[in-house]
Amino acid sequence: AQKITQTQPGMFVQEKEAVTLDCTYDTSDPSYGLFWYKQPSSGEMIFLIYQGSYDQQNATEGRYSLNFQKARKSANLVISASQLGDSAMYFCAMRPIQTGANNLFFGTGTRLTVIP
Amino acid sequence: EAQVTQNPRYLITVTGKKLTVTCSQNMNHEYMSWYRQDPGLGLRQIYYSMNVEVTDKGDVPEGYKVSRKEKRNFPLILESPSPNQTSLYFCASRPKAGTGGMPGANVLTFGAGSRLTVL
Repeated sequence: AQKITQTQPGMFVQEKEAVTLDCTYDTSDPSYGLFWYKQPSSGEMIFLIYQGSYDQQNATEGRYSLNFQKARKSANLVISASQLGDSAMYFCAMRPIQTGANNLFFGTGTRLTVIP
Repeated sequence: EAQVTQNPRYLITVTGKKLTVTCSQNMNHEYMSWYRQDPGLGLRQIYYSMNVEVTDKGDVPEGYKVSRKEKRNFPLILESPSPNQTSLYFCASRPKAGTGGMPGANVLTFGAGSRLTVL
């Protein structure tokens, strides 16, 4: 079975500071993709960053980076230099390639609030 | 602009009144899927389609139907809605596996969401 765990229902961060949103996953599939999505108050789902299970380097996209620790099955999102516009719900998701390739399994989300 | 379009965006209906949420994508994607989002549960897959006339159940298919008669459209049908189907619904699409680089890298593009309330 596939499972994504986000243990932080809510997080606060001061503007311009960095913040880490935690994500752990469980899968027996040897090959998988990890994704982070942002959901602002308007409701749409915005793709942020992707990490493949066989990627040697941690993914980065602008102010977003993914701290991928395969042995610990964690894929934490790091947002540097937080901005007010980063206030949103953040979802971690995983797509197993062999056993569940037709689904993207989501965690329950972390609501991030950036404080001016 | 490449996008997934859902309609309606907001709907209030009553128990038992059949409704359809439309979904259309203009990216020529083979794969399409429906998710529902509920507080504390994240997003859960309802149905998906690998291509025209190919559909399959996701994790929470009860009470829903889908069809894929054309590549661009993937409507979600609630034949007899019930209050437990009150939720935020998302349609999403992506290219088929094996395209776009690394396996699993194909990113799901989501529609803007449809908030459904069943009284």
